[in-house]
Amino acid sequence: DTGVSQDPRHKITKRGQNVTFRCDPISEHNRLYWYRQTLGQGPEFLTYFQNEAQLEKSRLLSDRFSAERPKGSFSTLEIQRTEQGDSAMYLCASSLWREATDTQYFGPGTRLTVL
Amino acid sequence: AQTVTQSQPEMSVQEAETVTLSCTYDTSESDYYLFWYKQPPSRQMILVIRQEAYKQQNATENRFSVNFQKAAKSFSLKISDSQLGDAAMYFCAYRTDNNDMRFGAGTRLTVKP
Repeated sequence: DTGVSQDPRHKITKRGQNVTFRCDPISEHNRLYWYRQTLGQGPEFLTYFQNEAQLEKSRLLSDRFSAERPKGSFSTLEIQRTEQGDSAMYLCASSLWREATDTQYFGPGTRLTVL
Repeated sequence: AQTVTQSQPEMSVQEAETVTLSCTYDTSESDYYLFWYKQPPSRQMILVIRQEAYKQQNATENRFSVNFQKAAKSFSLKISDSQLGDAAMYFCAYRTDNNDMRFGAGTRLTVKP
């Protein structure tokens, strides 16, 4: 399977704990995106990378959230001191940026439940 | 700010019939991209179709086609010959200048056998 993969698929944690999610994009894709999706809503943009550079961050991405893509391949999203409001599906997408055409392909998501 | 509105939270269609899902958006840009994504229950988001705003011709992908009305900022999705496998949440999305995607709240499509 050469699609976008995410790990873990489900995470249950207690309030105040830190969690880290991983995303592996499609291998030749140079852009990687993180979104958050709550029940019954469309995804909300969090941040994106081109290669290893983080180019855009949403105001939704509070100081407790940090994302990295150290070698321009996989990415991690860490949430520190989780809160119940962080419970959501975290989606990763990747794309090949070329001449302003950019179609994003999504992974299956990581569902976070904060108790 | 760009916003995307899907005014139909739920739609239903009989198998083999045609259904149209509505989407409107708000933007001051002239060049942009619009997308329809499908999200089956407990499964990942799949691209259905995309439209470049500078193209006047409506995009088509097999049974899926769009009616893009740039002046009206409308981007509806038509599904012809509906199949049971078309049942899913459908999200309309707009790609901004900053390259992030703005999604609507989605339309849940039910296909009746």
